[in-house]
Amino acid sequence: AQSVAQPEDQVNVAEGNPLTVKCTYSVSGNPYLFWYVQYPNRGLQFLLKYITGDNLVKGSYGFEAEFNKSQTSFHLKKPSALVSDSALYFCAVRDDKIIFGKGTRLHILP
Amino acid sequence: GAVVSQHPSWVICKSGTSVKIECRSLDFQATTMFWYRQFPKQSLMLMATSNEGSKATYEQGVEKDKFLINHASLTLSTLTVTSAHPEDSSFYICSAIRQENQPQHFGDGTRLSIL
Repeated sequence: AQSVAQPEDQVNVAEGNPLTVKCTYSVSGNPYLFWYVQYPNRGLQFLLKYITGDNLVKGSYGFEAEFNKSQTSFHLKKPSALVSDSALYFCAVRDDKIIFGKGTRLHILP
Repeated sequence: GAVVSQHPSWVICKSGTSVKIECRSLDFQATTMFWYRQFPKQSLMLMATSNEGSKATYEQGVEKDKFLINHASLTLSTLTVTSAHPEDSSFYICSAIRQENQPQHFGDGTRLSIL
């Protein structure tokens, strides 16, 4: 059965520092992986996806994610965090259906 | 492109009322639409998947008669919460996809409060 895990409930990063939000997954076939961001009282916004191709995927707002097949991970990264990046981030995986991780709240400290 | 509109954004109503939430894909035809429920500080719980012209597929534990889903066209799906009670209060979010394995495009959600 497919699953996705976000081990951190919250991540705190100082503005200007690099950030990483972790995600690991388990699927039976080839993974389709996604990252979404949610601002308060809003739906989710698509950031980036991995289906095939380069392991480093670049997405919206300067975010990128690295697909690591051996570690079954798809961590979200950004070289320099902004206060406006503070939000709730969801990793998602699609096998027979799409499931979402529990979310990681990212706090960027000014 | 790929805008999904969800209406209404807020609903407050009395217990026993039925509430309809609309989800529209404004600039694309959605092969599939999804309905989620989100509790405070929790992830999205998939309630059902709907395809145009066919019956929705409900997730285990979701009452079909309680949460009626209609997908009348390639751009519109509706969720009706029938005889709503306070425990139905939640944030409901819809999403739509153009093709399988493509990203989902989400509506802004509907906050439902049942008094």
